[in-house]
Amino acid sequence: NAGVMQNPRHLVRRRGQEARLRCSPMKGHSHVYWYRQLPEEGLKFMVYLQKENIIDESGMPKERFSAEFPKEGPSILRIQQVVRGDSAAYFCASSQSRGQETQYFGPGTRLLVL
Amino acid sequence: DQQVKQNSPSLSVQEGRISILNCDYTNSMFDYFLWYKKYPAEGPTFLISISSIKDKNEDGRFTVFLNKSAKHLSLHIVPSQPGDSAVYFCAASYGDTGNQFYFGTGTSLTVIP
Repeated sequence: NAGVMQNPRHLVRRRGQEARLRCSPMKGHSHVYWYRQLPEEGLKFMVYLQKENIIDESGMPKERFSAEFPKEGPSILRIQQVVRGDSAAYFCASSQSRGQETQYFGPGTRLLVL
Repeated sequence: DQQVKQNSPSLSVQEGRISILNCDYTNSMFDYFLWYKKYPAEGPTFLISISSIKDKNEDGRFTVFLNKSAKHLSLHIVPSQPGDSAVYFCAASYGDTGNQFYFGTGTSLTVIP
């Protein structure tokens, strides 16, 4: 299965800890997007990355959140010093090219902050 | 600022009948629209898309209609099947970048056997 892979599927953290979410794009895709879905809401764009570059981070909170997509390995969304409000489902998507290209989503990581 | 709106949180339809899911948007710059289907504990699955140069796109049982003047799109599923029961999200993007998809809040469709 060459779909978008995310791990872990579920992550529990206590307030103040760090959360690391991983995303491997579909084979042949070099564009990665992160979205967050809060309870009872739609998906909200966070960041768009290509290999080694952040292209658009307009949806990222200014503090505690960072993302990377290194030359080798998966894309990482990192949340430092988590708070209860960070509890959400985080989805990664990938596309083959830039622009108005269909984005294919992974199964998501459900983060619960206690 | 919710630029894409799905005003019906839920919809129930009898198996074999037509399901019509609606979506409204406020940003007239949007020129590419998509529908995704989502089962619980899974990621959204792409269903169908439409560019603003068209007003209709069909793929099997799924048809998307776009009314640019009304800033409205709809997804028709005919005939509806129990396996179609899921949450449906519409999404929109615009411009050369198109990187950021704006999602509605979803409509939960239940197809009753």
